[in-house]
Amino acid sequence: QKEVEQNSGPLSVPEGAIASLNCTYSDRVSQSFFWYRQYSGKSPELIMSIYSNGDKEDGRFTAQLNKASQYVSLLIRDSQPSDSATYLCAVNKDTGGFKTIFGAGTRLFVKA
Amino acid sequence: DVKVTQSSRYLVKRTGEKVFLECVQDMDHENMFWYRQDPGLGLRLIYFSYDVKMKEKGDIPEGYSVSREKKERFSLILESASTNQTSMYLCASSLSRDGYTFGSGTRLTVV
Repeated sequence: QKEVEQNSGPLSVPEGAIASLNCTYSDRVSQSFFWYRQYSGKSPELIMSIYSNGDKEDGRFTAQLNKASQYVSLLIRDSQPSDSATYLCAVNKDTGGFKTIFGAGTRLFVKA
Repeated sequence: DVKVTQSSRYLVKRTGEKVFLECVQDMDHENMFWYRQDPGLGLRLIYFSYDVKMKEKGDIPEGYSVSREKKERFSLILESASTNQTSMYLCASSLSRDGYTFGSGTRLTVV
């Protein structure tokens, strides 16, 4: 079992729809959780971080964390073609931020 | 705007060469990291550093070394480049448990 698992996709949604990206992790001691967006040929860019159970909203993005279920998700409302990218889930296993495990990423396509 | 700058965007080196990849951050971050990213394998940690002159091995340190003489600079060294080190190399920095800021990456080809 991989430490951080994501559906590789591609996930295809129409413009204006909600895109839902999911991630599960195996280590219950995980401390903090991140979503990165990576456009083709570019480096990852941090878009959301979440540290406690519940929802965290930032603009069109909402991160959801459920530590009991070891599950973190990213919702993108009003999806735009410019949201088409690979989304990486990342989990920190320690408080120092050294042991970050990245998922393999989910490819998202937003159709105009 | 905060930045992590990698010295080269593309590099082509010959097998056996010693290769230096440089990374500089201007955010006064304590932690710096070197990853490689390959299709199907995702991001893999090579080395990280949590302070000047401190370094720790990541998951795939073989064939690599690092140097951190100043807080803002973290260098990755390929002692004797091999074709299986052809990859995208990504430098990142972070403050404590915050998320990473990545550099733009260096695409290294070893021929």
